[in-house]
Amino acid sequence: DGGITQSPKYLFRKEGQNVTLSCEQNLNHDAMYWYRQDPGQGLRLIYYSQIVNDFQKGDIAEGYSVSREKKESFPLTVTSAQKNPTAFYLCASSIESGRVNEKLFFGSGTQLSVL
Amino acid sequence: KQEVTQIPAALSVPEGENLVLNCSFTDSAIYNLQWFRQDPGKGLTSLLLIQSSQREQTSGRLNASLDKSSGRSTLYIAASQPGDSATYLCAVNYGNNRLAFGKGNQVVVIP
Repeated sequence: DGGITQSPKYLFRKEGQNVTLSCEQNLNHDAMYWYRQDPGQGLRLIYYSQIVNDFQKGDIAEGYSVSREKKESFPLTVTSAQKNPTAFYLCASSIESGRVNEKLFFGSGTQLSVL
Repeated sequence: KQEVTQIPAALSVPEGENLVLNCSFTDSAIYNLQWFRQDPGKGLTSLLLIQSSQREQTSGRLNASLDKSSGRSTLYIAASQPGDSATYLCAVNYGNNRLAFGKGNQVVVIP
């Protein structure tokens, strides 16, 4: 089955610790995105990547880092600099970000909580 | 800055009634508008995408309209079923597939 796989489903972070959320897609999509969702809030864009080895900051990039070494993979690291990391994190992909009428496909999300 | 508002935040309807969900956005310079469905603790599923040049899109019992000049979209779900219970999110594409999302309409269909 083609799709986007996020892991783990639940993740706990200790204070001062960096944690990495995995996102893998087998849709052969060029563009990938990370969103953060807080209860009762709209999704907010953290980072996005239009092509391998390239990525741009979204609206709330502080305290996060990403890499895009392979087309299929776009991991997100939540660093100790992110003081309020508890949220539901969603990864998405689209065929190309430059084409204006492409649907986004989402993974099933990772719930990150602070211990 | 593009802001997206969805009204009402939550609603309950008896099974069989039609659902009407509203979305408004502040900047009419959009490429498209998408409606998504989200079940609790899950990711988003795209329901309909309306291009900026279109007025509406239909898929089965779902119909979405777009009035770009007034900054509004409406999602209609005909003959609601308990399985339609979910949160519905509206998002506008303002370039490079960067989306601005509303907070969602949380729907409960009562059997």
